[in-house]
Amino acid sequence: AQSVTQPDIHITVSEGASLELRCNYSYGATPYLFWYVQSPGQGLQLLLKYFSGDTLVQGIKGFEAEFKRSQSSFNLRKPSVHWSDAAEYFCAVGVGGTSYGKLTFGQGTILTVHP
Amino acid sequence: NAGVTQTPKFQVLKTGQSMTLQCAQDMNHNSMYWYRQDPGMGLRLIYYSASEGTTDKGEVPNGYNVSRLNKREFSLRLESAAPSQTSVYFCASPGQGDPSSYEQYFGPGTRLTVT
Repeated sequence: AQSVTQPDIHITVSEGASLELRCNYSYGATPYLFWYVQSPGQGLQLLLKYFSGDTLVQGIKGFEAEFKRSQSSFNLRKPSVHWSDAAEYFCAVGVGGTSYGKLTFGQGTILTVHP
Repeated sequence: NAGVTQTPKFQVLKTGQSMTLQCAQDMNHNSMYWYRQDPGMGLRLIYYSASEGTTDKGEVPNGYNVSRLNKREFSLRLESAAPSQTSVYFCASPGQGDPSSYEQYFGPGTRLTVT
């Protein structure tokens, strides 16, 4: 069975600083990988996804993520954080075939942005 | 086109009471999923339905039952609520076809408190 680990429970950055959120997965084959963001009291919004091809994926709101098969990682990055980026971020892995909706989520990383 | 809708948005139950969470999607998708979200644990899959007429257990099915009423609707029932079922419940339905266009669409969530 697949699993996802987000090593950082809580990260604090200053506005304008760069950001990297870590995600490590465990899965035997090439997984489908996702990053979601959740603002307090809200639902989940898809930031970006990786299925195949180019390992550097661009998403919404200026985010990008890089799939590194050798490290089983899919880290999320943003060059300059805005106060509105404060939220909780979830990495998720899905398998292929008819069960690709069956996502396994990481524990989440809460991002705090200082002015 | 409302996507995925859930009712109710909030609910408070006493231990031992029963209730049904409703979910509907208007995207003509085949599969639907129920997740629960707890602090520090991400989202965990309760049950899913890969197609109309089928349901399968996810990671945390104990204490729950589901019904895929038709292609649009997928309900989650708590027969005898317990405080451990206090959580936020999300219904989701993934797109289908080419995985490169895949996205898991989430409902707004139901916040359930069991006292």
